[in-house]
Amino acid sequence: AQSVTQLDSQVPVFEEAPVELRCNYSSSVSVYLFWYVQYPNQGLQLLLKYLSGSTLVESINGFEAEFNKSQTSFHLRKPSVHISDTAEYFCAVSGMDSSYKLIFGSGTRLLVRP
Amino acid sequence: GAGVSQSPSNKVTEKGKDVELRCDPISGHTALYWYRQSLGQGLEFLIYFQGNSAPDKSGLPSDRFSAERTGGSVSTLTIQRTQQEDSAVYLCASSFFQDTQYFGPGTRLTVL
Repeated sequence: AQSVTQLDSQVPVFEEAPVELRCNYSSSVSVYLFWYVQYPNQGLQLLLKYLSGSTLVESINGFEAEFNKSQTSFHLRKPSVHISDTAEYFCAVSGMDSSYKLIFGSGTRLLVRP
Repeated sequence: GAGVSQSPSNKVTEKGKDVELRCDPISGHTALYWYRQSLGQGLEFLIYFQGNSAPDKSGLPSDRFSAERTGGSVSTLTIQRTQQEDSAVYLCASSFFQDTQYFGPGTRLTVL
């Protein structure tokens, strides 16, 4: 079984400041890792994913996340945020065991202020 | 191409009634998932279909919940004798085998 912990329910930050959204997971099998984003009144969109290979993965809009196996973490970072990054961010894992169902964290609301 | 579509977008029902929620996956996707998003429980897996294999029903919260996938494409999630705690946004996702899951816009279910 897998579980995901997102300790921060809300992260307020000023525009152009850096941000880190934390994600830790536990699993008895190898996992794939994902960050999904949900903009206000919209559906879930994949932001980035780690399947294998390089532990640092990047999105097209400047976010990056690093898979750290020893610390079982997959923190999301962006060096300079924009107002438009205001959204709910969900970390998720899927175990390479059976159905590849996604197990989600509780989400972190990123609130970017001008 | 078209993404995952779900209908209806909103459903209001009375306690005790049955409801059916529909999901049209992306054409060619082999796997289909149902999740629900609620204030109290966050995002939870409900059920998974992959081709002609037996579905993974391990996330269904009670025997009032069931789902079927006809012809390897469209899926219907049925909730019988709805309860207020069933109020949530029901999300469908599809993928090509175990590749990235793409989500639909969801159906917001309100049980009065």
